[in-house]
Amino acid sequence: KAGVTQTPRYLIKTRGQQVTLSCSPISGHRSVSWYQQTPGQGLQFLFEYFSETQRNKGNFPGRFSGRQFSNSRSEMNVSTLELGDSALYLCASSDGTARGIDTQYFGPGTRLTVL
Amino acid sequence: KQEVTQIPAALSVPEGENLVLNCSFTDSAIYNLQWFRQDPGKGLTSLLLIQSSQREQTSGRLNASLDKSSGRSTLYIAASQPGDSATYLCAVTEYGNKLVFGAGTILRVKS
Repeated sequence: KAGVTQTPRYLIKTRGQQVTLSCSPISGHRSVSWYQQTPGQGLQFLFEYFSETQRNKGNFPGRFSGRQFSNSRSEMNVSTLELGDSALYLCASSDGTARGIDTQYFGPGTRLTVL
Repeated sequence: KQEVTQIPAALSVPEGENLVLNCSFTDSAIYNLQWFRQDPGKGLTSLLLIQSSQREQTSGRLNASLDKSSGRSTLYIAASQPGDSATYLCAVTEYGNKLVFGAGTILRVKS
């Protein structure tokens, strides 16, 4: 099976712009989670989508939003970018039906730089 | 609020040595604990998943243990190799699929 894919791999934006990141999960997986990784804060949970519904959300401002499509692909949007949004954004996919006991598989990430 | 701590923050060992990485968590109400590996600038690779009802899991040269009551897990790597050099991350799964990560241990295996 193909792994988790994320596009684009690298992105450079300026403050105030908005950005959309995409994640395609492993075939058959219905759960997609998003994480932000920074040197200062480490890996932090953004949100999880399952069958097109947001099932869980972390402590991030409303500028961070997401959605999931019927084919389980997910997008994450960040509006009004700030310098502190520069990070590696990782998505993870899993079966999602056996909550908490199935392995999560991560994509290679999207490196976002905000200037 | 769940907090996950990993010790040591960094480790440098000669090739062939056996080593132990430590992970502790503050809230024992977890579904499972996972160990991941991350190479520089890359995504995470799942190494081992231990369900909350299990005590340990093994995969090749890796063995992970879990003591939920004391909030501790260890990852044992046998006969380390230079290719094992990476950052190792411990994460607990809370409600749903939310992972709470430690800061990681940076491992360098010298040839």
